[in-house]
Formats: sequence, C-alpha cells, structure tokens
Amino acid sequence: EAGVAQSPRYKIIEKRQSVAFWCNPISGHATLYWYQQILGQGPKLLIQFQNNGVVDDSQLPKDRFSAERLKGVDSTLKIQPAKLEDSAVYLCASSLVRGGVGFEQYFGPGTRLTVT
Amino acid sequence: AQSVAQPEDQVNVAEGNPLTVKCTYSVSGNPYLFWYVQYPNRGLQFLLKYITGDNLVKGSYGFEAEFNKSQTSFHLKKPSALVSDSALYFCAVRFPNDYKLSFGAGTTVTVRA
Repeated sequence: EAGVAQSPRYKIIEKRQSVAFWCNPISGHATLYWYQQILGQGPKLLIQFQNNGVVDDSQLPKDRFSAERLKGVDSTLKIQPAKLEDSAVYLCASSLVRGGVGFEQYFGPGTRLTVT
Repeated sequence: AQSVAQPEDQVNVAEGNPLTVKCTYSVSGNPYLFWYVQYPNRGLQFLLKYITGDNLVKGSYGFEAEFNKSQTSFHLKKPSALVSDSALYFCAVRFPNDYKLSFGAGTTVTVRA
C-alpha cells in the first residue's frame, strides 16, 4: 500500500512570496489533515477535510493560508504572502475515517519550508 | 482544553538498556492516546494507541505503552533499546467526539552503542 505522498520535499522562498504544497493521501482515506511543525514543537493541526469538505480550519491563518481538496482526493495548501515565521515543516496526513476504528493518521514525509 | 506533556526534551540510554519516554495528559473523560516516532527528514510513523481495555498496549518495533488513568500517564517503553531507536518521539491525545489530535512537544531519544 502506497503511503501519503507530498511534494515538494524542500522549498526556499523569500518573504512576501507565495508557495504551494501538494498532498496525495492513501487511497480510500476520506479524511485529510494539514499540520504545521515548527522546529522544537509538536505538529499543530491547520486544517482537516472530510472528503472535499472542511470540517476544522480553526487554526488556519486565513489571511494568508488557504487549502482545498477538490474531488476529495489530492489537496493543496497555499501560503500567500509568506512570512518569516512560516518557516516550518508542513505535514499532510490521512485517515480512513474521522472516528471509530481506523482513525489512525498516517503521515507523509513533509515539506520543509524556509522563508528568508 | 486538552493538552499533553512530555516532560523530558531528551532521553539518553545505552543500547540494550530499558527505554522509557514519558507522557502525561491533562484532560478529563476517556481520551484516546497515541505514540508516533519521527526519523530525520521523514514523516511521523504510528507506533501504538490506547482506546480502551488492557492498560498495556503493544505496538510496532517492540514498543509498548502503559495507560495509567489515576496518574493520567501513557509512558512509552522498550525493554532493550537499539541504536536504530534513536529518533524523535511524540505523544498525542484526542477525545472520541473530537477528531483533533493534540501533540506533545516531542522527546529526542538517543541510544548509544
């Protein structure tokens, strides 16, 4: 079974530029998550999708971050414009369901973003 | 609000010795508890979870964790550590009716040969 795929793996941009990350979840997983992991901290949930609908984006800085999951499969996370404090690893995860049996989250390798 | 604490930033052990990584949580009710491991430049890998039932949970790579409700702890253990266990370990908690995972800050484990 293929795991969660993410690209790019690394990205360096200047502040005020825009950037986009792509995620392809495990086949059949209805729930998709984007996390931000700042160095020295645990991952923090940015947004959660159930199929192609948003179920939790309470911690997403909506003035600069946006995400979509068209057709309920792949997802894209965008930052525009980027700030220095956005430097982090952006992790995508997926799970079979939101709750009950099968809700373990499986993580991709992450995209390391450096904003200079 | 739910929260999880990993009181040790770093744990150092010699290969072959027992390994313990501590985790405590400060929530009420019956949370679900998880351990994940992160190797350099890789995503988090699921190790084990506690949902209900037996307080001792066995997971991948010889790890186990013990749920202690009275002490609100979920410590990760391995009887005999390997150098390859050197990694960053995260404890996480969620409620059954809340689909959000809250992670601890992580504990860096170094196993020396």
